[in-house]
Amino acid sequence: NAGVTQTPKFQVLKTGQSMTLQCAQDMNHEYMSWYRQDPGMGLRLIHYSVGAGITDQGEVPNGYNVSRSTTEDFPLRLLSAAPSQTSVYFCASSKGARQPQHFGDGTRLSIL
Amino acid sequence: GENVEQHPSTLSVQEGDSAVIKCTYSDSASNYFPWYKQELGKRPQLIIDIRSNVGEKKDQRIAVTLNKTAKHFSLHITETQPEDSAVYFCAASHAGGTSYGKLTFGQGTILTVHP
Repeated sequence: NAGVTQTPKFQVLKTGQSMTLQCAQDMNHEYMSWYRQDPGMGLRLIHYSVGAGITDQGEVPNGYNVSRSTTEDFPLRLLSAAPSQTSVYFCASSKGARQPQHFGDGTRLSIL
Repeated sequence: GENVEQHPSTLSVQEGDSAVIKCTYSDSASNYFPWYKQELGKRPQLIIDIRSNVGEKKDQRIAVTLNKTAKHFSLHITETQPEDSAVYFCAASHAGGTSYGKLTFGQGTILTVHP
């Protein structure tokens, strides 16, 4: 049972490039979320999904897109990378709204 | 939307002492309050959670208390050990309305336990 798997673990991009961070879970969880973690600012919600085909914005959605075509996968797309998007990105999943979230190992992203 | 404030930002204790971290939340509809521990370079991991229908929950050396009237909840760690050193995050969410499924985190507390 792999839990929540994020790829890649590390990535360096140039300003203006686009890329997709992958997230997959094998626990049949309905809820999936993307967070970014910056020093001193905790975890901030980017986008989340309450089930396949349903997504909604979190606290800091600008510059990011998501889609949820299957229960298992929840990719995060950076449309045009900016240095302000340098961060550690965590994907998480849970059975429901009031259930523990299980986090992936994170993707460390640097934008030059 | 929900706003969660966490204090203190850093906490230093001697091994064996107790540690208390406090959080306040703004949305009275919030009804789920988890606590996460994050070691350096690792993923956040749930250590304990509480739902609004209870006032206190305990798991060995860790306990959480909830005061719905005052809209605050606290993490208590007794008999601290060096391996308790980490960053601790509180969070709040509720299963209703336009915030359904959203989890809002506090800013984190860096706990250092000195041997």
